[in-house]
Amino acid sequence: QSALTQPASVSGSPGQSITISCTGTSSDVGGYNYVSWYQQHPGKAPKLMIYEVSNRPSGVSNRFSGSKSGNTASLTISGLQAEDEADYYCSSYTSSSTLGYVVFGGGTKLTVL
Amino acid sequence: QITLKESGPTLVKPTQTLTLTCTFSGFSLSTSGVGVGWIRQPPGKALEWLALIYWDDDKRYSPSLKSRLTITKDTSKNQVVLTMTNMDPVDTATYYCAHRGGIHVFDYWGQGTLVTVSS
Repeated sequence: QSALTQPASVSGSPGQSITISCTGTSSDVGGYNYVSWYQQHPGKAPKLMIYEVSNRPSGVSNRFSGSKSGNTASLTISGLQAEDEADYYCSSYTSSSTLGYVVFGGGTKLTVL
Repeated sequence: QITLKESGPTLVKPTQTLTLTCTFSGFSLSTSGVGVGWIRQPPGKALEWLALIYWDDDKRYSPSLKSRLTITKDTSKNQVVLTMTNMDPVDTATYYCAHRGGIHVFDYWGQGTLVTVSS
């Protein structure tokens, strides 16, 4: 069981917007602005899409945006495209001594219908 | 251009020790603020952070695996080595090394290496 909770799957049609949630606690998501989001296509390494809750690395489409409210962070993808179909993982710094330095969510499979 | 690549055995037997090497380019582990981490992913499952080493040799480990993990660096060779003792079939996973690009974020990842634990 992962430390951060994500929905197992979400889906949307091309052109639509979807949001993936990532719920933690005050020891991780809620306590720090160090939430990241990674995209992973099958058989590939994860790719950083969002860091520090809402910042996009250079080269990442502005269709990807991040936010946070309380203990829940969210990744929104607007104008869905077929290439967005992938697994998405959130991560957060944690101050929990039982979890260590970084915790990941269980992942969300995005299907573009 | 930052690149990382993992290397090591693809098959280990239960109880054996796994040694993985991450060879990188495009940055130096002697530069202040730089770090390299290891993350693994069992087939069909989620990512799990394992360990991180900083430029100043400070180290962090996953508490659940701390007793089995050791992370070291060789700055002159641009390498980071992860050892995991007492391997078990549940440790079968793709192991990734990654560049710590900022505070608590991994911005560049290696391609990963699949390690299978089986007798």
